[in-house]
Amino acid sequence: DGGITQSPKYLFRKEGQNVTLSCEQNLNHDAMYWYRQDPGQGLRLIYYSQIVNDFQKGDIAEGYSVSREKKESFPLTVTSAQKNPTAFYLCASSPRDRGNEQFFGPGTRLTVL
Amino acid sequence: SQQGEEDPQALSIQEGENATMNCSYKTSINNLQWYRQNSGRGLVHLILIRSNEREKHSGRLRVTLDTSKKSSSLLITASRAADTASYFCATINTGTASKLTFGTGTRLQVTL
Repeated sequence: DGGITQSPKYLFRKEGQNVTLSCEQNLNHDAMYWYRQDPGQGLRLIYYSQIVNDFQKGDIAEGYSVSREKKESFPLTVTSAQKNPTAFYLCASSPRDRGNEQFFGPGTRLTVL
Repeated sequence: SQQGEEDPQALSIQEGENATMNCSYKTSINNLQWYRQNSGRGLVHLILIRSNEREKHSGRLRVTLDTSKKSSSLLITASRAADTASYFCATINTGTASKLTFGTGTRLQVTL
């Protein structure tokens, strides 16, 4: 069963702690993306990766870090430097030749207490 | 930065009616896409229209694109309660081949 998985669905952390969100895909897609969504808002791009071992900053990369050591995996770390980390985080992937149609995971809701 | 702005922000209709959502954007694009999001879930791709296309259909969906006005519309015909969701337009801007820029979304409520 192909798709994108994100874990966990809900995550609670204390202020000042780093936290890593998981994103795995078995669609054999080259590109992967991380977005942040705040209530009633659209999606804002945090980081993206078009190929293994390479990634680029999106529009709101400050306070976040990523790695792309495997094609299937693109974990996102929310660091203590992120001023307002409570949000819904969405991971997506896209194949090379589909006009960048993106396939989304179910999301992780992070709450920092 | 968010390029697209959807209009209206919220729309409430009865089952069987048509729903029309509009999207405006600011820069030249390669393509424009529409996505659907059920509450608290990930997004699902609905339809893609390229910059050289003016209209596209998929089932009960009809999308138009007017590049001179930098706008697009999504029409859902014969709506159903299951169409209740948020709908987002997203653009691939010229020169940014792999980045989608999302609008702020339209919340559609379809009542029985």
